[in-house]
Amino acid sequence: SQKIEQNSEALNIQEGKTATLTCNYTNYSPAYLQWYRQDPGRGPVFLLLIRENEKEKRKERLKVTFDTTLKQSLFHITASQPADSATYLCALDPRTGRRALTFGSGTRLQVQP
Amino acid sequence: NAGVTQTPKFQVLKTGQSMTLQCAQDMNHNSMYWYRQDPGMGLRLIYYSASEGTTDKGEVPNGYNVSRLNKREFSLRLESAAPSQTSVYFCASRPLHTEAFFGQGTRLTVV
Repeated sequence: SQKIEQNSEALNIQEGKTATLTCNYTNYSPAYLQWYRQDPGRGPVFLLLIRENEKEKRKERLKVTFDTTLKQSLFHITASQPADSATYLCALDPRTGRRALTFGSGTRLQVQP
Repeated sequence: NAGVTQTPKFQVLKTGQSMTLQCAQDMNHNSMYWYRQDPGMGLRLIYYSASEGTTDKGEVPNGYNVSRLNKREFSLRLESAAPSQTSVYFCASRPLHTEAFFGQGTRLTVV
């Protein structure tokens, strides 16, 4: 069956360090992979999209990698700040079939000052 | 520019009652979605509408119905609420293969 795995344990890091979050998937062939941020009591907010033929995408302090052979995406936040504390969700966008995003369960990031 | 608007924000229902969650978007998007979010489960797709006039089941459609009233509006109906439907419900919209825009969510409790 199709599965998307994100580390369910919270990630705690010190301010200024790089946070790295992992998204692994099985039995999917996504055309695109997206990352979202979700704050408590709010809806998810889009951060980055990467296509299957792209290896890496950057936006300011954010970087996403996409390895379709390993079936894995890594999401990096450099020079992390307490304001980056939130839950981060990865989402797969299929090439065919159901035209809807499928989400992982998310990883909570806590940046300590 | 309001984006995606959901109503109500909070609701408490008794088992067996019915209600409709409303969602409207003002971005002229073709695709609209309803997800539910439970602790540790992430967002699970209930129903979606790829375009006006079409609706399709998602991962967890049982106990729900939807209506794509027009391009702007996509409603979710619970005909006979059950405690298992206690959850936070999110509506989203997007053009195909791009970012999704989410509403603020509806926190539903069924007692």
